[in-house]
Amino acid sequence: EVQLVQSGAEVKKPGESLKISCQGSGYSFTSYWIGWVRQMPGKGLEWMGIIFPGDSDTRYSPSFQGHVTISADKSITTAYLQWRSLQASDTAMYYCARLLYSSGWSFDYWGQGTLVTVSS
Amino acid sequence: DIQMTQSPSSLSASVGDRVTITCRASQGIRNDLGWYQQKPGKAPERLIYAASSLQSGVPSRFSGNRSGTEFTLTISSLQPEDFATYYCLQHNSYPWTFGQGTKVEIK
Repeated sequence: EVQLVQSGAEVKKPGESLKISCQGSGYSFTSYWIGWVRQMPGKGLEWMGIIFPGDSDTRYSPSFQGHVTISADKSITTAYLQWRSLQASDTAMYYCARLLYSSGWSFDYWGQGTLVTVSS
Repeated sequence: DIQMTQSPSSLSASVGDRVTITCRASQGIRNDLGWYQQKPGKAPERLIYAASSLQSGVPSRFSGNRSGTEFTLTISSLQPEDFATYYCLQHNSYPWTFGQGTKVEIK
């Protein structure tokens, strides 16, 4: 059974760093892209970027590039989303999802989400 | 960036109604679009991929269509479990972009 299990909720102060995780299981982790999606409180979904764990090839949305880092450790089948310096505007739910190609790309399995709260 | 204009932003409908949600792309994206359903407090779930292919296990009352740069998600007969927010996502070119979402509420 394919599963993506994300790390737990975080409460941080502005300026602090953070790394959240997404562990995949039940499939060949290095053969599928993993994506990250942001959902700010009461708002819609935003595509942040994707990574191919096999070779760490990464694509970012310009809206997020330079503010977050997407990485992966294939030895422990885990993808990461990292901030060096959090801002209050980073308060959101973050989802990871697996990308499948079948006549076109789509996110076929999703993590449960990680709620990040940034507040002084 | 490709802009996805989704409409309406919300709608009220009754059980049994036919519902249509539209996403219009700012440029041609072929069939590179999917539809997702999100219920409150839950992660999104895939409904449709490649514009019109139904995800396995999704009821056949859901369908997707494309006409040029306009994409539609239709629910032929709305059921109680369909009240949710729906999003389109284009994956034709980076950055991929979601529509703004359509909240389907009970009338």
